[in-house]
Amino acid sequence: ILNVEQSPQSLHVQEGDSTNFTCSFPSSNFYALHWYRWETAKSPEALFVMTLNGDEKKKGRISATLNTKEGYSYLYIKGSQPEDSATYLCAFDGGTSYGKLTFGQGTILTVHP
Amino acid sequence: DGGITQSPKYLFRKEGQNVTLSCEQNLNHDAMYWYRQDPGQGLRLIYYSQIVNDFQKGDIAEGYSVSREKKESFPLTVTSAQKNPTAFYLCASSNTRPGEPSSTDTQYFGPGTRLTVL
Repeated sequence: ILNVEQSPQSLHVQEGDSTNFTCSFPSSNFYALHWYRWETAKSPEALFVMTLNGDEKKKGRISATLNTKEGYSYLYIKGSQPEDSATYLCAFDGGTSYGKLTFGQGTILTVHP
Repeated sequence: DGGITQSPKYLFRKEGQNVTLSCEQNLNHDAMYWYRQDPGQGLRLIYYSQIVNDFQKGDIAEGYSVSREKKESFPLTVTSAQKNPTAFYLCASSNTRPGEPSSTDTQYFGPGTRLTVL
């Protein structure tokens, strides 16, 4: 079974702070790395799909980087807002024929006003 | 509105009873998946289906069964053989074509069902 780890498990920041968290995954058989945002009482929502070493993706104040050689991805949030409070999931795609994703346990972000 | 629906949102059952969780999608996706979430753990794959009338076991299939009679529907039955059924269950679908995965395929999730077995 593949090991996908996210750190920290939870994070509390003040409104306006910038923050980042990490997803570690196997560096072999890499196909893609997905980031999802999961707000309470809602469905997980896809943020990014990253496929190439050195990839950097951006969506508003959220960005992500990818290092496939060492097996990690960072998610950054600039100027956190209370509406950014959510669980952020990463998922490793090792290229199976059926699109299997292996998920980390998530980072719970709470942004205090 | 395109999306995935799961019902019910909350479900309570007595120990020893089978229970079926519904998952419907109108995204015209071939692939569908069932995951289970437990506190402090990542989503774990229970079953997946790449196409109608076909499904395969995931990592934790014991005590569960599924069917895929229609493209839109992928119900999950939690049987009495599942030792720890109390959990949050998420259904997903993706635009992955059978046997032709693409690195940009994305899974779309329903809102989940919280099952509590008393």
